[in-house]
This record gives sequence, structure tokens and C-alpha cells, in this order.
Amino acid sequence: AQTVTQSQPEMSVQEAETVTLSCTYDTSESDYYLFWYKQPPSRQMILVIRQEAYKQQNATENRFSVNFQKAAKSFSLKISDSQLGDAAMYFCAYRSAHTGTASKLTFGTGTRLQVTL
Amino acid sequence: DTGVSQDPRHKITKRGQNVTFRCDPISEHNRLYWYRQTLGQGPEFLTYFQNEAQLEKSRLLSDRFSAERPKGSFSTLEIQRTEQGDSAMYLCASRESMGSETQYFGPGTRLLVL
Repeated sequence: AQTVTQSQPEMSVQEAETVTLSCTYDTSESDYYLFWYKQPPSRQMILVIRQEAYKQQNATENRFSVNFQKAAKSFSLKISDSQLGDAAMYFCAYRSAHTGTASKLTFGTGTRLQVTL
Repeated sequence: DTGVSQDPRHKITKRGQNVTFRCDPISEHNRLYWYRQTLGQGPEFLTYFQNEAQLEKSRLLSDRFSAERPKGSFSTLEIQRTEQGDSAMYLCASRESMGSETQYFGPGTRLLVL
């Protein structure tokens, strides 16, 4: 079974600074997807960024980028130029690429990001 | 299209009562997922539908839980004889069949069992 570990329960960053959230995962599969989801307080979960395991290039979405290290099974999220609206719980998630599966997401326990002035 | 919707948003019930939650996925998303999220944890998979067929159920889904998706549109999740341990946020997500690997989540139903 796949597992996802987020070892930082809480992180804090000053507005306009850069922060990196860590995620490691364990799998025996070679083809899969990795995601970072953001869950603001009392609001629904939204996708931040997605990475396909077969792609060597790290995904980037505006101020958000990942450092995907397949051999190390590491998938960190970097948020540049942090904004107050980035304050939320961030979840790392894994999904198998095998057809015939439910394509369910396996989540980590989350990292709560605080953004200070 | 306004995204995935869930109803109710909050539910308080007494132990032993039955509750039912509804999820309306994004239209034309034929894949639908239910997850449960307890305080301080990430969501955990409960069950999955492709159209009206329930194709996978987690071991977390005890026999007190039942889910349906008649006609492959909205879905319901029923919990019978609720227990205090059922208190959690119940999340619904939907996904297109082809071309997208992204699951879109609803706002969730927060259940409190007294």
C-alpha cells in the first residue's frame, strides 16, 4: 500500500518570502501522479499543482513549483512571494496511474501554513 | 457549472440515528469519490463510483455505511446507527473520465454525533 508522509505539521512564512513544504511517499509502482491540494479554513479543497511521475521536468504553476525527486520519493512544494491568501492546510497526495484501479487519492496528514505580515 | 456541491454542510445528530448526505458532482463527470476527513488528518478514501456502478469500497466503509449513485448523477452516503466515531468531515469529489487526472472536491458535510 502506498503511504504519504508530511513531516511538518506547521510552517510559517512572512509575506513576500518563499517557503518549502516537504512530502515523501512510499510506493512500489513506477507510474503515478502526485498532487498538492490547498484547504483554506472552512473552505473546500482545491488543486494547487500536479506532477506526473513519468515527467522529469518539475511542474510549475505561477508562484507554485515542485521539486520532484523520483528516486528519493520526495515531492516538495515551493511557494514564492507568499501572500496572505496562501494561508491554509496543504495536503500532498498520491494516485496510482494503473488502469482498472479506482484512482483514489492517498493523502498525507497535511501542513498548516501561516503567513505573517 | 458551479462545481461539486454537497448538502447539508453541517449535520448534528444523536448517537444511533441515521443520516444521509448528498453530493452533486460537476456535470458530465462520470467518476465520483467519497472521502472522510477527521480532525488533524488528511482525507481517507471511502468509496468510488464510475457512472452508477460502485466499483470500490474501502475497509473503512463498515456495513453501517451505504452509498448510491442512481442514474450516474448525484450520489448519497447514508450512515445507519451513527456512532461518535463517525464524527468527521465527509468529502465528495468528481473527475472526468478522460483527459483529466484531477479530482474536484466539494465543500464537505461536517457531521457531529452527540
